[in-house]
Amino acid sequence: KNEVEQSPQNLTAQEGEFITINCSYSVGISALHWLQQHPGGGIVSLFMLSSGKKKHGRLIATINIQEKHSSLHITASHPRDSAVYICAVSMNLGLGGSQGNLIFGKGTKLSVKP
Amino acid sequence: NAGVTQTPKFRVLKTGQSMTLLCAQDMNHEYMYWYRQDPGMGLRLIHYSVGEGTTAKGEVPDGYNVSRLKKQNFLLGLESAAPSQTSVYFCASSRHLTGGNSPLHFGNGTRLTVT
Repeated sequence: KNEVEQSPQNLTAQEGEFITINCSYSVGISALHWLQQHPGGGIVSLFMLSSGKKKHGRLIATINIQEKHSSLHITASHPRDSAVYICAVSMNLGLGGSQGNLIFGKGTKLSVKP
Repeated sequence: NAGVTQTPKFRVLKTGQSMTLLCAQDMNHEYMYWYRQDPGMGLRLIHYSVGEGTTAKGEVPDGYNVSRLKKQNFLLGLESAAPSQTSVYFCASSRHLTGGNSPLHFGNGTRLTVT
């Protein structure tokens, strides 16, 4: 069974720091998602990527398919970035993935102090 | 443009009671999903739909039923609630099946407690 491992589980940073959250997975995937879950519970899709790098504002997501690893970076962190960040992967159907199913990591809880 | 709307936001049920959670999306998405989120675990797929009139089982379908009578609505039913179904439920939709080139859009969640 594929697992998605995120590290760290919890992260506390000072405002302005550069933050990295890591995601590793064990089998072939067709896409990887980064999601943000706000303290109020709502979930927002940040990135979806299958290769390379994507950037949106202060957020950067990278993926290395060969190493089965993705990172989410936040530059110049701010208290409003405090949230749980979730990595999810869609397995290749030919490798046992089922249609409709993403495998989710347990999330990384980020707290940015002013 | 409301996106994905879930109702209700909170609900407390007694064991054995039934209820229906409603999910509505206004983005004309074909694909809709119901997930549950439990402490210490990642989101898990309960059921999903690839279009109006279709449903399929996900990872944890037991104890739940779903219906997709209209493209914009996806209903999740609990016929006889059990304490193990205490969870936060999220509905989501996407233009293409997850893994394709489209992101997921989530509702705000329903916190269900079964006593």
